[in-house]
Amino acid sequence: GQQLNQSPQSMFIQEGEDVSMNCTSSSIFNTWLWYKQDPGEGPVLLIALYKAGELTSNGRLTAQFGITRKDSFLNISASIPSDVGIYFCAGRSGSARQLTFGSGTQLTVLP
Amino acid sequence: DAGVTQSPTHLIKTRGQQVTLRCSPKSGHDTVSWYQQALGQGPQFIFQYYEEEERQRGNFPDRFSGHQFPNYSSELNVNALLLGDSALYLCASSLKQGVYNEQFFGPGTRLTVL
Repeated sequence: GQQLNQSPQSMFIQEGEDVSMNCTSSSIFNTWLWYKQDPGEGPVLLIALYKAGELTSNGRLTAQFGITRKDSFLNISASIPSDVGIYFCAGRSGSARQLTFGSGTQLTVLP
Repeated sequence: DAGVTQSPTHLIKTRGQQVTLRCSPKSGHDTVSWYQQALGQGPQFIFQYYEEEERQRGNFPDRFSGHQFPNYSSELNVNALLLGDSALYLCASSLKQGVYNEQFFGPGTRLTVL
């Protein structure tokens, strides 16, 4: 099935650093979502974006819906140990209710 | 307010067997979607149920089937299991109506096929 191109695959950062990850698609999406998944758990929704160019924050997290509607990025500022996990982007196109997911970014925060 | 629940947590089957996974949606939700997540990959959409009917389907064979009950809970059935069916199966619930009703995921069922 189709998947989004998410990068980087993994990141090792020091506590307190900022981190950025992004997602690109060959198709246009009208909704972009960012989820975080911890081991043994299902994905948890972090941020939802509905308009091209939209910039949305949730605490230390900021995400943007690309103006071409084919990309999105997620920034995490001042990382802390509990930020460790796998971050997934997901897109939804047209009237479809199904989500298309990226392959994930594994984030490790070093003390 | 209970979130999405799934059972069982883990399951081990052998090739050729059949399996049934269960999902109860978040309170107030009427739509259930099922996803398969292979190790190291993002979830892949299997199908979505609303009003007890399959409404959308991803690229999965007919061995994967489902059902939704009047109380909105759902089952995922997989027949003739293959080794490649080993994965985390995620259920997500949402509201059918409205643009901004996003999907909430359960913890998943880990299926191992030997």
